[in-house]
Amino acid sequence: QKEVEQNSGPLSVPEGAIASLNCTYSDRGSQSFFWYRQYSGKSPELIMFIYSNGDKEDGRFTAQLNKASQYVSLLIRDSQPSDSATYLCAVNGNSGYSTLTFGKGTMLLVSP
Amino acid sequence: DVKVTQSSRYLVKRTGEKVFLECVQDMDHENMFWYRQDPGLGLRLIYFSYDVKMKEKGDIPEGYSVSREKKERFSLILESASTNQTSMYLCASMILSGTSTGNEQFFGPGTRLTVL
Repeated sequence: QKEVEQNSGPLSVPEGAIASLNCTYSDRGSQSFFWYRQYSGKSPELIMFIYSNGDKEDGRFTAQLNKASQYVSLLIRDSQPSDSATYLCAVNGNSGYSTLTFGKGTMLLVSP
Repeated sequence: DVKVTQSSRYLVKRTGEKVFLECVQDMDHENMFWYRQDPGLGLRLIYFSYDVKMKEKGDIPEGYSVSREKKERFSLILESASTNQTSMYLCASMILSGTSTGNEQFFGPGTRLTVL
């Protein structure tokens, strides 16, 4: 059974700080890694994906991947209250199908 | 923009009823997915389809079936609804790609189903 683990939180950070969200996965054959944001009562929306070891930056967001440690993280710089949401880590395996295994999500609270 | 729509935002049914949840996408995506989301359990894959009339079981298919007669429509069927199927149901679609990298799943708004 593939597993994707996230700390449920809440992770509380002040406005303007860096929020660091972490995710580990069990399937060493996993190839692609996704971060989704889900506001309360809404459906998930993709923030970033990464498939190569290292960092990938997009605006205030940076995804980091370490396949040897089976670890992926999301950094949010200059956190804003509008970033308050649940962040879902998702992992795509190598089964040939385009399915994702999701973590349970980390709730982020950014206080003004 | 990709649009994934679901037939109802809220639905209340009685135990034993047959329930149909409909999902339609307008971007000609080959892949479509049904998930349920429960507090503390996260998003779990029920069924998915990678082509018309094709279906594959996800992680929790028991008590559910699906139908994909047209490319744009993927239906989730609860043959005999039970109270433990009370949940948020999310549909998603994704384009078929030759690689597994960087393909986004687009989610519909969700259907909150309550079974009494």
